[in-house]
Amino acid sequence: EAEVAQSPRYKITEKSQAVAFWCDPISGHATLYWYRQILGQGPELLVQFQDESVVDDSQLPKDRFSAERLKGVDSTLKIQPAELGDSAMYLCASSSVPQGRGEQYFGPGTRLTVT
Amino acid sequence: GIQVEQSPPDLILQEGANSTLRCNFSDSVNNLQWFHQNPWGQLINLFYIPSGTKQNGRLSATTVATERYSLLYISSSQTTDSGVYFCAVGATNAGKSTFGDGTTLTVKP
Repeated sequence: EAEVAQSPRYKITEKSQAVAFWCDPISGHATLYWYRQILGQGPELLVQFQDESVVDDSQLPKDRFSAERLKGVDSTLKIQPAELGDSAMYLCASSSVPQGRGEQYFGPGTRLTVT
Repeated sequence: GIQVEQSPPDLILQEGANSTLRCNFSDSVNNLQWFHQNPWGQLINLFYIPSGTKQNGRLSATTVATERYSLLYISSSQTTDSGVYFCAVGATNAGKSTFGDGTTLTVKP
């Protein structure tokens, strides 16, 4: 069964350091999402890609976060510099249907701890 | 943007009991999913149900889009059903999904 892959699964970093997360969506899925989930809350959308184009990054803190999907397949989310408040679960999802419609499939997530 | 409210926030059951989880939303939707988040944080797809009723084993879901709510039913609960249940909805005029804050279910043996 096709799955969304993410790495690393866990990351511990010191504040002010740079950190990067990687996501490989289900093959053929043109829509890719990055979510952040703070403990005790539901996931919140950070950025949405359609192929290699960003279609929604309204909740992405652009002063320190960046995301890319250069060839329209896998994607990288970067934080530089990391802050204590960035400690959270970062989830990647993909879908075969664009613009938030259709079923989304999630990867296992990357749990980030900033010390 | 659309508001999503899940109730109850916490639910404790004995094994074998039935339960109903509710998801209310504030606008018309064209997308609604129910997920189970396991202890490792992975979101498991339960139902894609923007309208109507679906069943999968001991779980079933109903969405009444005109009245802006969805229900998730769990029958004969098992300890493995424990975890957090989320609904995620996509407003008709928006291009993304919004999650509720979840219902934490604990099933005791």
